[in-house]
Amino acid sequence: ETGVTQSPTHLIKTRGQQVTLRCSSQSGHNTVSWYQQALGQGPQFIFQYYREEENGRGNFPPRFSGLQFPNYSSELNVNALELDDSALYLCASSLGTGVNTGELFFGEGSRLTVL
Amino acid sequence: DAKTTQPPSMDCAEGRAANLPCNHSTISGNEYVYWYRQIHSQGPQYIIHGLKNNETNEMASLIITEDRKSSTLILPHATLRDTAVYYCIVPSGRSSGYALNFGKGTSLLVTP
Repeated sequence: ETGVTQSPTHLIKTRGQQVTLRCSSQSGHNTVSWYQQALGQGPQFIFQYYREEENGRGNFPPRFSGLQFPNYSSELNVNALELDDSALYLCASSLGTGVNTGELFFGEGSRLTVL
Repeated sequence: DAKTTQPPSMDCAEGRAANLPCNHSTISGNEYVYWYRQIHSQGPQYIIHGLKNNETNEMASLIITEDRKSSTLILPHATLRDTAVYYCIVPSGRSSGYALNFGKGTSLLVTP
């Protein structure tokens, strides 16, 4: 186990609803990244938070938003859910950010189904 | 951002070495090569990373060519539990927080 915990593990929503996913990072880690993994695909980078500030963002629309709290835990919020948002959402924590950040520790993910 | 190319699938007999290749011909001088794997229904797991020199840890060895345009991940004695998708990654630049672009990876099947 990596020490990164995500909740909920599974959830079902309907189109147009909003969802909040939560992530507790490994102790001592100040950076959290979120990834979306559709069925049969590799994880796609959504965004990263470093010391409570967004530090990078992938090609996702603004309805995907996030927060990082002083204890470095994080939330991913998705508004106006679409069917294509159905995926496994992965959270990863690390210490710092940089060209040689090293190992990212991933949680087991939250599986979202949008009906 | 440097992109990577991997074969979609490979087989390996249990107990033999698994050699997983990766091409990253556009890699720049200060970009690292990372390897992760993902066992079905689990989060990705870090394996190893390197810049120029070959690297070894308890899980695997990473061989990087002198021109840095390709690398090979070696699992010296593959077991059935090594069956997974293996991703070779060159992180994005600073503007993207050095994010990992996973691609589709190589699906490794270790057979008895």
